[in-house]
Amino acid sequence: DTEVTQTPKHLVMGMTNKKSLKCEQHMGHRAMYWYKQKAKKPPELMFVYSYEKLSINESVPSRFSPECPNSSLLNLHLHALQPEDSALYLCASSQVIGRQGFPYEQYFGPGTRLTVT
Amino acid sequence: GENVEQHPSTLSVQEGDSAVIKCTYSDSASNYFPWYKQELGKRPQLIIDIRSNVGEKKDQRIAVTLNKTAKHFSLHITETQPEDSAVYFCAASIRPFLIQGAQKLVFGQGTRLTINP
Repeated sequence: DTEVTQTPKHLVMGMTNKKSLKCEQHMGHRAMYWYKQKAKKPPELMFVYSYEKLSINESVPSRFSPECPNSSLLNLHLHALQPEDSALYLCASSQVIGRQGFPYEQYFGPGTRLTVT
Repeated sequence: GENVEQHPSTLSVQEGDSAVIKCTYSDSASNYFPWYKQELGKRPQLIIDIRSNVGEKKDQRIAVTLNKTAKHFSLHITETQPEDSAVYFCAASIRPFLIQGAQKLVFGQGTRLTINP
C-alpha cells in the first residue's frame, strides 16, 4: 500500500466553526506533513511530525492545530478560520532521514479542498 | 532565507520535442532535489529525484542534472507527449534535522508545461 488518504475531500465551513481534517498512511512512514496550497502556487509547508512528535512548525497561526495520535494518523484541527485560509490542504508522509543524511520521497495525499465562508 | 527559483513559469512545446525546466537553490546544505508533477485537481506526484552525491539521473524519457557548484538543477523531458502537460514543481531539501529525522522541502513556483499536438 503506497497511498496516503485524506478525508474529507471537500469542506465548507464558517468562520466560527470547528472542524478537523484527517490523514492516514499504512506505509510505515514515521514522518508526516501538512502543506497548504493556494491556486497556481506551490505547496507551502505548515507542520512536520517525526516519530509522532512535532518537529517543525512554520509559524502557522494557532487557529490551525495539528495532532498525531499514532504513527499512521495525522489530524489538523481548524477553529475560527478566515476566508484567506481557503486552500487545498495536502498531507504527505515519508521515511525519516537515513543514516547517510539523505531525505526520502514524500508521498502526497489527494488533499482536502477547504472553503471558509 | 531559503529559496528555490524555477524557470520558466510557462513552457509550450510541440509534441515530440524536448522540454527543459531549470531551478536554482540558495542553501548549500541542500542534498535532495525532487521533481513533482501535478495535474489539475490532483495531488503532486514524484517523477524523479536526485541526491547531492550524484550528478545526473535518468528514467526513460525523464532526466535530472545537478550542478552543486552553481547550485542549480534541471529537468529534461524528451519525446514529449500530450499526457506530459501539467504543472511541474522542483524542490530542495533544507537543513535536514538529523536528530529527529525530519525533513523540510522548499518548492519552486512551478512551471506550467503545455504539449501541443
